[in-house]
Amino acid sequence: GAGVSQSPRYKVAKRGQDVALRCDPISGHVSLFWYQQALGQGPEFLTYFQNEAQLDKSGLPSDRFFAERPEGSVSTLKIQRTQQEDSAVYLCASSPTGAPTYNEQFFGPGTRLTVL
Amino acid sequence: GENVEQHPSTLSVQEGDSAVIKCTYSDSASNYFPWYKQELGKGPQLIIDIRSNVGEKKDQRIAVTLNKTAKHFSLHITETQPEDSAVYFCAASFDYGGSQGNLIFGKGTKLSVKP
Repeated sequence: GAGVSQSPRYKVAKRGQDVALRCDPISGHVSLFWYQQALGQGPEFLTYFQNEAQLDKSGLPSDRFFAERPEGSVSTLKIQRTQQEDSAVYLCASSPTGAPTYNEQFFGPGTRLTVL
Repeated sequence: GENVEQHPSTLSVQEGDSAVIKCTYSDSASNYFPWYKQELGKGPQLIIDIRSNVGEKKDQRIAVTLNKTAKHFSLHITETQPEDSAVYFCAASFDYGGSQGNLIFGKGTKLSVKP
């Protein structure tokens, strides 16, 4: 079956540009996570949605980062006024259920963002 | 908050040998410990996980052990094959009522299996 998909797979932006990264979770999955993975590092949590509700955005590094999931399925991570330190792979993961039951997180292939 | 340390950062073994990767965590409340395999250009893929009420879990050539007292857990791969070559990440999560279980990852171990 279809897994988590992300688009675009690669994005090059000039410093100061705005970017939007899309995540299509597995159909019917309640939970959706965004992670940031710097080169040679493990993924770091950014934000979490349960259906359309953003329950945790404690990992967003600045107010330039914004995420939404308006209909409880597709999610978009937006970065305004991109900086070089935003260069990373952005991973999306989905999980079948929400709190309190924990289930495996299924990851997408990621979007590699390069800010020049 | 939780902190996960992972060792070694690189590991090279001969095909057929065993590989062991170790992780420690800081938050004694963590109760879910998955291991992910990430191949180049792909997202992490779960290979095995363990919960705090279990000390060991095995799935074919892969096993994970957990020592809650010492707050460490390990991944064991036996009879390694070249296709096991990848970056492996351990992670920890605190799963309780009302928590979403966001994962705290280690920095990864690059495993190379030489034919």
